[in-house]
Amino acid sequence: TQLLEQSPQFLSIQEGENLTVYCNSSSVFSSLQWYRQEPGEGPVLLVTVVTGGEVKKLKRLTFQFGDARKDSSLHITAAQPGDTGLYLCAGGSGGGADGLTFGKGTHLIIQP
Amino acid sequence: NAGVMQNPRHLVRRRGQEARLRCSPMKGHSHVYWYRQLPEEGLKFMVYLQKENIIDESGMPKERFSAEFPKEGPSILRIQQVVRGDSAAYFCASSPKGSSGNTIYFGEGSWLTVV
Repeated sequence: TQLLEQSPQFLSIQEGENLTVYCNSSSVFSSLQWYRQEPGEGPVLLVTVVTGGEVKKLKRLTFQFGDARKDSSLHITAAQPGDTGLYLCAGGSGGGADGLTFGKGTHLIIQP
Repeated sequence: NAGVMQNPRHLVRRRGQEARLRCSPMKGHSHVYWYRQLPEEGLKFMVYLQKENIIDESGMPKERFSAEFPKEGPSILRIQQVVRGDSAAYFCASSPKGSSGNTIYFGEGSWLTVV
């Protein structure tokens, strides 16, 4: 069974600070996706990474896929209250069974 | 997640009743996935369907749960004889191809409450 561990589970910081959240596994994934989910809504895709070592930037968000494709990180620079939400990572394993494996998420609160 | 339509958004059922959740994928998408999210839990994969075929149902409970994606119309997740433990948010997602390396798009979910 593939598992994705996300850390920290909860994070509350002040506006303007930087932060990094992590997504780790002992399994190799063919792709890894990051989502943001707000209360009462569905997950919204932020990024997909597929190549080991890949780095993608989305404004103040930087996503990295580990060289071995077992882990990923999300770094937010100068966090803003609008960044508040649940950040989920999800791994795809391919091979025909195409359901994604999700971590439990990091609950992020950015205080003004 | 714009484009994947789920209904109802909220559903209340008494124990023992049936719940039917519908999902219309994004235009042009022929792959549908159902996930369940329990309070304080991550999303758990339930089933993956293509038109008229169940591709992977490894995450579906063995009893009371079924899913279909007919040639015409939405995909339906059916829960018979609901119990309180079925209370959760059920999310549908769709993609043009299998999800491996491809983007899947989620709907806004259907919140089932069993009383």
